[in-house]
Amino acid sequence: GAVVSQHPSWVICKSGTSVKIECRSLDFQATTMFWYRQFPKQSLMLMATSNEGSKATYEQGVEKDKFLINHASLTLSTLTVTSAHPEDSSFYICSAKGGGNQPQHFGDGTRLSIL
Amino acid sequence: GENVEQHPSTLSVQEGDSAVIKCTYSDSASNYFPWYKQELGKRPQLIIDIRSNVGEKKDQRIAVTLNKTAKHFSLHITETQPEDSAVYFCAASRGTGGSYIPTFGRGTSLIVHP
Repeated sequence: GAVVSQHPSWVICKSGTSVKIECRSLDFQATTMFWYRQFPKQSLMLMATSNEGSKATYEQGVEKDKFLINHASLTLSTLTVTSAHPEDSSFYICSAKGGGNQPQHFGDGTRLSIL
Repeated sequence: GENVEQHPSTLSVQEGDSAVIKCTYSDSASNYFPWYKQELGKRPQLIIDIRSNVGEKKDQRIAVTLNKTAKHFSLHITETQPEDSAVYFCAASRGTGGSYIPTFGRGTSLIVHP
């Protein structure tokens, strides 16, 4: 089946640090990738959608200068949390989708803790 | 935009009982409805999905029904087992390819007591 790899799985860093999270589709070409944020016991909040080679489309309320998304190839998207602060601490999950009627598949998520 | 409501937020059943989770959606153009299971600290995993041209789909103990007129769809789990305990999310979306943007429900925490 389709596999999406997300790294790192856990990050602890100091306030002010920038953190990069990678999302890779291992056995299919991901024409669209999604980045979500999930708070404990809550649903998946879509942050942005990106299509390969295009600029990401951000959801309302998500700062694009804060959360930089790069979808450079059909198998890789990155999310960089710039100058992270404690309120950015959360569980970030990516998902990838192939073309046509293919379903989206999720990565394992990254637990980000900012001290 | 699309709005997806999911109920109940928590569902507690005894092993062997059936469990039903219901979702409603607002956008009549939505045509794809996946269900995901998320165990604690893990990724959501697609367990079943249905498209708008089908009213019901079954996969062993799991079934999904769709009522397009009423704009609601449901997940049915029969003969529940403790390993079914997890959070289940429904989603609704329209379009394919680059226009596919799913909206998720708030999730249902299913607890199956042995």
